[in-house]
Amino acid sequence: AQSVTQPDIHITVSEGASLELRCNYSYGATPYLFWYVQSPGQGLQLLLKYFSGDTLVQGIKGFEAEFKRSQSSFNLRKPSVHWSDAAEYFCAVGEGGSYIPTFGRGTSLIVHP
Amino acid sequence: DVKVTQSSRYLVKRTGEKVFLECVQDMDHENMFWYRQDPGLGLRLIYFSYDVKMKEKGDIPEGYSVSREKKERFSLILESASTNQTSMYLCASSLMLAGGPYNEQFFGPGTRLTVL
Repeated sequence: AQSVTQPDIHITVSEGASLELRCNYSYGATPYLFWYVQSPGQGLQLLLKYFSGDTLVQGIKGFEAEFKRSQSSFNLRKPSVHWSDAAEYFCAVGEGGSYIPTFGRGTSLIVHP
Repeated sequence: DVKVTQSSRYLVKRTGEKVFLECVQDMDHENMFWYRQDPGLGLRLIYFSYDVKMKEKGDIPEGYSVSREKKERFSLILESASTNQTSMYLCASSLMLAGGPYNEQFFGPGTRLTVL
């Protein structure tokens, strides 16, 4: 069965600093990978997704993620964090033939002014 | 713009009450989901539906039931609410195309349920 690990429960960065949120997955074939963001009191919104092709994926709000098969990772990055990026971030993995993705437990991003 | 709406943002109920959480999507999606979100536990799937009147249990179905009489509407029912069901409930929908680009889910804003 597939699984997703987000090793960092909380990450604190200063506004303007760069950001990297880690995501590792366990799945035999090439997975379908997603990053979602959840602002306080809101539902989840898709930031970006990877299915095939270029391993560097661009998303909304200036985020990008890189798929590294050798490391089973799909880390999310942003070069310069804004205070409005403070939120919960979820990595998810899906497999072909399934409608149900597996979610990581989330990483809470705190942005200091 | 795609939209998933949930009937209430906040709900307070008493132990033993029957509780209905409603979710409506306007994207003609076949799949609909109910999740429960608790701090430190992430999203846990309660039930999933891939068609009208069809449902499958998720990871934590105990104490819950669901109803899908119309394609756009998916209801979560707590038959007899208990305090350990106090949580954030999220509804989501997605297209049927398995494993394809449309596997992404669209989420509602959530219902924060408190059971006293």
